[in-house]
Amino acid sequence: DAGVTQSPTHLIKTRGQQVTLRCSPKSGHDTVSWYQQALGQGPQFIFQYYEEEERQRGNFPDRFSGHQFPNYSSELNVNALLLGDSALYLCASSLRGTSGTTDTQYFGPGTRLTVL
Amino acid sequence: AQSVTQLDSHVSVSEGTPVLLRCNYSSSYSPSLFWYVQHPNKGLQLLLKYTSAATLVKGINGFEAEFKKSETSFHLTKPSAHMSDAAEYFCVVRNYGGSQGNLIFGKGTKLSVKP
Repeated sequence: DAGVTQSPTHLIKTRGQQVTLRCSPKSGHDTVSWYQQALGQGPQFIFQYYEEEERQRGNFPDRFSGHQFPNYSSELNVNALLLGDSALYLCASSLRGTSGTTDTQYFGPGTRLTVL
Repeated sequence: AQSVTQLDSHVSVSEGTPVLLRCNYSSSYSPSLFWYVQHPNKGLQLLLKYTSAATLVKGINGFEAEFKKSETSFHLTKPSAHMSDAAEYFCVVRNYGGSQGNLIFGKGTKLSVKP
């Protein structure tokens, strides 16, 4: 059973560019969450997707957007990149329970984004 | 609002000695708490979780944590450290705002294990 996969592993961009990161959830999971982990910090929640809609959002600007596809995979898009966007971007998948809350989140290996 | 505070940014132990990583939480609800581990250049791996069942939670690789409501703590322990335990450990609380439940991470504790 494949776990959460992310691509690419590493990415280098310059300021002002746009980037797209991809995530495939663990088999059987229907919810995808994205987190940003700056160097030396804990991950911070960006947003969560379920049924192809953004369900919850953290404190991130509109430059950060996402999408979820019918097969539950997801993309994170960041526009107008800033130096401060350099970080490890983690995707987590989970199964939404009948109560509406998500079960345990399982994380992918992350995409390391460097903005020059 | 939910939050977690990891009391030590760095803990160093000798191989074979006990490990104690401290975490205090704040939650308006009965919390769901987790410990995740991150090895260098790797993603996050779930060690254990507490979801209001038994207060002593056993996880993988010999780790366990005890939920103490009176102390608002959820400390992670292991009786005997192994070199492979060297990693960053995150205490995490589930945020039920909006009902979807994202995770709120502590700043992390780096565990070093000396031979």
